[in-house]
Amino acid sequence: NAGVTQTPKFQVLKTGQSMTLQCAQDMNHNSMYWYRQDPGMGLRLIYYSASEGTTDKGEVPNGYNVSRLNKREFSLRLESAAPSQTSVYFCASNPGTANSYEQYFGPGTRLTVT
Amino acid sequence: AQSVTQPDIHITVSEGASLELRCNYSYGATPYLFWYVQSPGQGLQLLLKYFSGDTLVQGIKGFEAEFKRSQSSFNLRKPSVHWSDAAEYFCAVALSGGSYIPTFGRGTSLIVHP
Repeated sequence: NAGVTQTPKFQVLKTGQSMTLQCAQDMNHNSMYWYRQDPGMGLRLIYYSASEGTTDKGEVPNGYNVSRLNKREFSLRLESAAPSQTSVYFCASNPGTANSYEQYFGPGTRLTVT
Repeated sequence: AQSVTQPDIHITVSEGASLELRCNYSYGATPYLFWYVQSPGQGLQLLLKYFSGDTLVQGIKGFEAEFKRSQSSFNLRKPSVHWSDAAEYFCAVALSGGSYIPTFGRGTSLIVHP
């Protein structure tokens, strides 16, 4: 049982390049989330998917797109990377059922945009 | 909107000393409360949670937290800190009946001196 997995672990991009961050969970969870973590800012929600087939914007969605490919997988795409998107990105999942508010996190992707 | 405040950005303690990390929330009703820990280079792991009932909750790794409604606080404590407890600690709040999305505090970095 791997939990939440993310690929890649590290990535360096040049400004304007695109990339997709991959996330998968094997816990049969309904809800999945993408966060970014910056020093002193805590975790900020980029996008989330409450259930398969739905996606919604979080606090900081600009510059990102997401795809809920199936129940297991939720990807985050940067179409034209900017230095302001240098961050650590975390994927998380949650059962998405009554009273299930705790989140399960992946190990993160450290992205640098030069 | 709900908010979570962790007033201490850094806390330094000696190994074997007691620890208390502060968390205050702003919301009219009693929310669901969480503490997560993030070891260097890792994702977040749930330490403990409070939904209802006994206001003193026990978690993993010897941590406990006490919910105080009158102070809108949910402080994390440990009687004797180990060097391996050095990490970033996040308090989080979720609304009952909401979309299962917690709001995270900005984190407190715990430094443990030998």
